[in-house]
Amino acid sequence: KNQVEQSPQSLIILEGKNCTLQCNYTVSPFSNLRWYKQDTGRGPVSLTIMTFSENTKSNGRYTATLDADTKQSSLHITASQLSDSASYICVVNPSGGSYIPTFGRGTSLIVHP
Amino acid sequence: EAGVAQSPRYKIIEKRQSVAFWCNPISGHATLYWYQQILGQGPKLLIQFQNNGVVDDSQLPKDRFSAERLKGVDSTLKIQPAKLEDSAVYLCASQRSGRGGHEQFFGPGTRLTVL
Repeated sequence: KNQVEQSPQSLIILEGKNCTLQCNYTVSPFSNLRWYKQDTGRGPVSLTIMTFSENTKSNGRYTATLDADTKQSSLHITASQLSDSASYICVVNPSGGSYIPTFGRGTSLIVHP
Repeated sequence: EAGVAQSPRYKIIEKRQSVAFWCNPISGHATLYWYQQILGQGPKLLIQFQNNGVVDDSQLPKDRFSAERLKGVDSTLKIQPAKLEDSAVYLCASQRSGRGGHEQFFGPGTRLTVL
């Protein structure tokens, strides 16, 4: 069964600090992995996409990594800002079958001033 | 480019009542999804359409939930009758194609409260 596990479930950090969110998956065959940011009361918005051949990709202060061998991904946030407070959801897309994406439960990040 | 539109944004009903949600995807997007997101959890897929055909509805509680996508554009999701546990945010997402892992674009969601 395809699964995506995220950790931690929630995280509280001070503004300006860095943090790393984790995503482990068992989706196979693998196509790509996306990190979404979901602000309170809004729909998720894609931050990055990682394909099989990519190890790291940055989008501003967000850096995603992928280890396709261990089926792990991380999202690193540098110099956090209050606006980073949101839920971060890991989504893995298969390359075959019904192409149904598998969602993680998300990590809730709170950045305090 | 206009995003995914959903309405209403909020709905409060009593249990056993009926409710319907509407979604207008991004123009040209063939794939449309409905998700249920309970507070503190990730979205749970209810149904996936490819044009006007159903790709997957294995997690749709068919005794009370129904969805349609007439003409392969707009979609409606209906709950009849509603239960307390249906209280959640219902997200609609559209995608250029269901294959290749294209980005899903989400609407703002409809927050349903069942009393």
